[in-house]
Amino acid sequence: DVKVTQSSRYLVKRTGEKVFLECVQDMDHENMFWYRQDPGLGLRLIYFSYDVKMKEKGDIPEGYSVSREKKERFSLILESASTNQTSMYLCASSLFQEQFFGPGTRLTVL
Amino acid sequence: DQQVKQNSPSLSVQEGRISILNCDYTNSMFDYFLWYKKYPAEGPTFLISISSIKDKNEDGRFTVFLNKSAKHLSLHIVPSQPGDSAVYFCAATSGTYKYIFGTGTRLKVLA
Repeated sequence: DVKVTQSSRYLVKRTGEKVFLECVQDMDHENMFWYRQDPGLGLRLIYFSYDVKMKEKGDIPEGYSVSREKKERFSLILESASTNQTSMYLCASSLFQEQFFGPGTRLTVL
Repeated sequence: DQQVKQNSPSLSVQEGRISILNCDYTNSMFDYFLWYKKYPAEGPTFLISISSIKDKNEDGRFTVFLNKSAKHLSLHIVPSQPGDSAVYFCAATSGTYKYIFGTGTRLKVLA
């Protein structure tokens, strides 16, 4: 079974803090994704990566950056957290079309 | 511009009856469609998919229908069970890494 793990289930940060969200997958998948899920807006793609050190912007990259130094690990960075980044963050990985999701990190920015 | 739309935010169905969840899309370049199920406090899990070369795909109680001319797909669950209560997302891709997700439909199956 594919396993995608995220470093925290719940996180509370203050405005202006730098936040790191970590994601690890154990199936040697090439592709990894970061989404945020907000009520009424579904899942929106922030960034994705199709190989180590390769990344592409999704639909809402502003205020975020990513890092993929190893194939199994994809990190999402909020350089200076703001209250409008309070959300559920979901990481996913895929080899072909089907994406496998982690359990999500609910981030609250105060 | 919402390329994938799920116009019903919620749906209630009696146990044992059919649940029909709908999804519309606008981009004719989409060639692969997926349905995901999401329970509270969990990540979405893959349910079923369909390629644009097909009009139907079946997996146990779940069937997805694709009507390309109408740019419409639907997920049928027969019979519906209380454990099917979840949020269902449809997603579409045009052969790239990028998936477009709908806003989700919350299904409640009443015992």
